[in-house]
Amino acid sequence: ETGVTQTPRHLVMGMTNKKSLKCEQHLGHNAMYWYKQSAKKPLELMFVYNFKEQTENNSVPSRFSPECPNSSHLFLHLHTLQPEDSALYLCASSRAGFNQPQHFGDGTRLSIL
Amino acid sequence: EDKVVQSPLSLVVHEGDTVTLNCSYEVTNFRSLLWYKQEKKAPTFLFMLTSSGIEKKSGRLSSILDKKELSSILNITATQTGDSAIYLCAVGSGGSNYKLTFGKGTLLTVNP
Repeated sequence: ETGVTQTPRHLVMGMTNKKSLKCEQHLGHNAMYWYKQSAKKPLELMFVYNFKEQTENNSVPSRFSPECPNSSHLFLHLHTLQPEDSALYLCASSRAGFNQPQHFGDGTRLSIL
Repeated sequence: EDKVVQSPLSLVVHEGDTVTLNCSYEVTNFRSLLWYKQEKKAPTFLFMLTSSGIEKKSGRLSSILDKKELSSILNITATQTGDSAIYLCAVGSGGSNYKLTFGKGTLLTVNP
C-alpha cells in the first residue's frame, strides 16, 4: 500500500473512445503529478497541480485533459488517443514546494488499439 | 534542457555481490537528487540527497552525491534476489516550478 491509489490498473481502449484515469492520495499531500512511462524511456512529467491549481503542462497534447477537484484526487481524461500513447501512466503526490519526495501509485497500464 | 544519465542500463550479478549504480546530471538550478526502486509496480522512494545532505545510508543501501562532478552513486552491498528491480535516479530543479527529471533507470538482476 503506497498511499497513492490508481484505477483502473489496466485499460484497453480504441482510438475513438473516451475514458478517465483516477488517482487518489491518502498522505495529506497538496501537490499531485501525472507521469508517462514508456519502454526504454525516462519517466516523462505531464502535469503538475499545487493546491488544486495546474502549475505545469509539459507540452502535452490536448487529447490528455487533467482535472484536480481537490488536493486528494486527480483525474486524467483521455480522448482520441493514438497508438503511441500506450504506456504506463503514473500518478504521484508530495507536499508542495521543492525537495519534497514524490510518492507514486502503481500506475495504469494503457493500451490503445 | 535538463538531462539525467544513468549507467549501466542493465546489470546482472550473483547474490552476495556488491553493485554500484551511477547517475550523472546536467540541470539548471539543482536542488536535489533522488533514488527510487521500481519493481513491477510503483517506484518507491529510497533516498534524497541535497547540498546539506550528500550521503545517505539505509541498511545495505547507501548513496553519495558529488556536486563537483554532478553525479551520484547508489551502492548495494551483499545483494539479494529481492534487490532485483529498476533503480531510477531523478534530479529536482527549479524554485516555484520545482520538478523532477528522471533518468532511464538501471535494471538490476540478482541471480541466486
